[in-house]
Amino acid sequence: DAEITQSPRHKITETGRQVTLACHQTWNHNNMFWYRQDLGHGLRLIHYSYGVQDTNKGEVSDGYSVSRSNTEDLPLTLESAASSQTSVYFCASSEWGTGVDNEQFFGPGTRLTVL
Amino acid sequence: DQQVKQNSPSLSVQEGRISILNCDYTNSMFDYFLWYKKYPAEGPTFLISISSIKDKNEDGRFTVFLNKSAKHLSLHIVPSQPGDSAVYFCAASSNDYKLSFGAGTTVTVRA
Repeated sequence: DAEITQSPRHKITETGRQVTLACHQTWNHNNMFWYRQDLGHGLRLIHYSYGVQDTNKGEVSDGYSVSRSNTEDLPLTLESAASSQTSVYFCASSEWGTGVDNEQFFGPGTRLTVL
Repeated sequence: DQQVKQNSPSLSVQEGRISILNCDYTNSMFDYFLWYKKYPAEGPTFLISISSIKDKNEDGRFTVFLNKSAKHLSLHIVPSQPGDSAVYFCAASSNDYKLSFGAGTTVTVRA
C-alpha cells in the first residue's frame, strides 16, 4: 500500500545545531508539504513543493529550508535550531486532480525538542 | 492573520448525542473545505469535505454544512461514539492546493 513516512519520530537536539527531518512518500504525488503543529495554532505551513526542483515558502518559513531532488522525498532542514522550533512536524502529499477536494495525506509526525 | 478559525477549543458530548463543530473563514477565494480528525501521536486523517458549489455533504454519521454568505461551516456527528474522541481540524483550500487550518477542537465523547 502507498504511504507517507517520517523519520525520526522523536528527536531531541540542542540550540544552534542543524537538524534534518525526513519525509518519504510512495504515492507518487507531485505536491508535498511541511507543517508544524502548535497548541492554539493548529497546523501552519512551513514549505511546500509542486514537483522536483520546485520549492516555495509557507507562512512560517523563517529558519527552515527544503530541497526536492526526486518525487518521493522532501527533507526539512532547520539550519540552526532554536527553542521556538520545538514542535510536532507533519509532512503531507497530494496530487493535482486526484483525491477529494484538494485532500492531503499526512505522515505520522516528528516530535522535535530543542533544548 | 489566521484565515480559518475554530473558536471552540473543546467540546464534551454524551455518547449517542449530536456533536456540532463550527468553523469560520475570511478568505472568499477558498473553494474547498475539509475536516480532518487527529488522534494523539498520529497524523491527521481526512474525514469529510465540501466544495463551494454545495451547501451540504453527508458521509454516514458525518455531515458538513456550508454557508458561503456567512463564511461559516459546521460538522455534525450523529450519533457520537467513544471512538470519535479526537481533535478535529477545519481546513480550507483554493486552487493552489495549499491548506489553511483552524486551531482545532478537541471532542470528548462521554459514556
